[in-house]
Amino acid sequence: DAKTTQPPSMDCAEGRAANLPCNHSTISGNEYVYWYRQIHSQGPQYIIHGLKNNETNEMASLIITEDRKSSTLILPHATLRDTAVYYCIVRVPIHFMDSNYQLIWGAGTKLIIKP
Amino acid sequence: KAGVTQTPRYLIKTRGQQVTLSCSPISGHRSVSWYQQTPGQGLQFLFEYFSETQRNKGNFPGRFSGRQFSNSRSEMNVSTLELGDSALYLCASSFGRGASGQGLPSHGSNYGYTFGSGTRLTVV
Repeated sequence: DAKTTQPPSMDCAEGRAANLPCNHSTISGNEYVYWYRQIHSQGPQYIIHGLKNNETNEMASLIITEDRKSSTLILPHATLRDTAVYYCIVRVPIHFMDSNYQLIWGAGTKLIIKP
Repeated sequence: KAGVTQTPRYLIKTRGQQVTLSCSPISGHRSVSWYQQTPGQGLQFLFEYFSETQRNKGNFPGRFSGRQFSNSRSEMNVSTLELGDSALYLCASSFGRGASGQGLPSHGSNYGYTFGSGTRLTVV
């Protein structure tokens, strides 16, 4: 099974780019990487996902290494509201015929944005 | 439009009791997933429902059960509560078939499930 490893916590200055790493060294070729975040007392919020190519949306960018064994979530201009726990998740197919998947959640990185 | 609504927000129960938690998905969403979140454990998948049918189930004992109604609202029930059941229980809804199994969409669909704020259950 793919397993994700994340640093437990990180600090970042407001206005700077926050780069959150995730290791998924046992990932297979058809396993997607997802990122969610959870702000205190709220449910997780989708950020971005990708398979092989780098992805960008209005919230963040996802950089996946060529060997796919690690990825980095980039928040380009962090604000105080980005303080949250960020989860790196690998989606692993378990039944190809009926599209069932298993999710492997990382323990999360607590990102603290400092003014 | 209204988000995912979970009730109650907070609940205190004693060991041995049972509890029912409710989740109202976003209007039009047909898939509902449930998760348990405890400190240090991350989110653990409980089950997923689509069109009143359970599509997937996580590795939880039979004391944990759920159901979905024709209006897509879902309930989960925990019987014979144990101290270790104290957790934040999260519900997430999605428009799609839930083809991704444990609560995240397959590629190409609307991205991500929308989570509710959860029900904080404390067992004493």
